Amino acid sequence: EVQLEESGGDLVQPGGSLRLSCAASGFTLSNFWMTWVRQAPGKGLEWVANIKLDGSEEFYVDSVKGRFTISRDNAQNSLYLQMNSLRAEDTAVYYCARDGVVPTTLGYGMDVWGQGTTVTVSS
Amino acid sequence: DIQMTQSPSSLSASAGDRVIITCRASQSISSHLNWYQQKAGKTPKLLIYAATSLHSGVPSRFSGSGSGTDFTLTISSLQPEDFATYYCQQSYTAPHTFGQGTKLEIK
Repeated sequence: EVQLEESGGDLVQPGGSLRLSCAASGFTLSNFWMTWVRQAPGKGLEWVANIKLDGSEEFYVDSVKGRFTISRDNAQNSLYLQMNSLRAEDTAVYYCARDGVVPTTLGYGMDVWGQGTTVTVSS
Repeated sequence: DIQMTQSPSSLSASAGDRVIITCRASQSISSHLNWYQQKAGKTPKLLIYAATSLHSGVPSRFSGSGSGTDFTLTISSLQPEDFATYYCQQSYTAPHTFGQGTKLEIK
């Protein structure tokens, strides 16, 4: 069964750091771009970052640039999100998703999602 | 960044109704447009990709159209399980922004 499972969410103080993990199973991680999406309480979906198949390219939303780092370990079937200098506005459920980005084509959307892990930034 | 604007933000409808949700991009995104459904407390699910292609397992009552800047998601005959929030998302250029969502409620 194709699955993604996030972990690492926690309560953290403003200015703190956290590392989220996403374990992939049932498919070969190295064949797919991967994305992090977040959802603040009662709000809509926000695209956070994505990473190319081999980790050679990363893209971020402006609000997290310089603070968050997306990475992957294809050998371990894992995706990560290192979050530094956390702010109250980073409080959200964080989802990892398998992304059907295929350069020079229309791609096929984010077709597999994890259940999410909750990050709360508060003193 | 490309801004995605959905309308309406909320919608009340009855089972059996035909519903259309629109999504407008702040610049042309060709057909790099995806639609997702999210039920309360659940994970988002992919419905439509590349503006018009139905994701595997999604009922045929869902359809997408459009290209350039204007797109629509149509549900031909609402079923009880369709009451949810729907999001469009552009995958033309990073960041791959989402619309603000359209909450579809039971009338």
